[in-house]
Amino acid sequence: ELKVEQNPLFLSMQEGKNYTIYCNYSTTSDRLYWYRQDPGKSLESLFVLLSNGAVKQEGRLMASLDTKARLSTLHITAAVHDLSATYFCAVVWGNEKLTFGTGTRLTIIP
Amino acid sequence: DAGITQSPRHKVTETGTPVTLRCHQTENHRYMYWYRQDPGHGLRLIHYSYGVKDTDKGEVSDGYSVSRSKTEDFLLTLESATSSQTSVYFCAISSRLAGGYEQYFGPGTRLTVT
Repeated sequence: ELKVEQNPLFLSMQEGKNYTIYCNYSTTSDRLYWYRQDPGKSLESLFVLLSNGAVKQEGRLMASLDTKARLSTLHITAAVHDLSATYFCAVVWGNEKLTFGTGTRLTIIP
Repeated sequence: DAGITQSPRHKVTETGTPVTLRCHQTENHRYMYWYRQDPGHGLRLIHYSYGVKDTDKGEVSDGYSVSRSKTEDFLLTLESATSSQTSVYFCAISSRLAGGYEQYFGPGTRLTVT
């Protein structure tokens, strides 16, 4: 059974600081997605990582995938308030099925 | 939003009643999914479909059934709702992109079983 662990579960950051969210998974997969969710809203796709060593960047967010270590990271650079949200990683298995991490609730403090 | 709508968006129902949630998509995607979201669990896959009349169980399928008689509609039915099925339900589709797929989510249905 595929297990996906995210840490930390909760993260308070000051504006302007850098931090990393980690996503570990238990069985082989070479694809992983990152999503953002605002309170009461649906999930918004952030990154699609399709192979080992994949790195994607969008604004202050950068995601990477190491399939050998079964680890993905979401790095936040110089955080700003509008990045406050819950972030999920999701590992792809079988025929496009997803197993999600439990999410990281990020709060950016002025 | 990949042309996904869900109905109803909110529903309150009593224990023991049947409930059907509808997911509708307008872009002819083959793959469709139903997830539930609960605090502390992230999203968990209930059922999925790879095409008309082609459905299968996910990790939390007990108490749920699905049907897909048309490409655009994927229905989730709770035959006899229980309080443990109070949750937010999301429908999703997989859209093909270069090298793989990307999964998009509908707006969600908040279901409360009293």
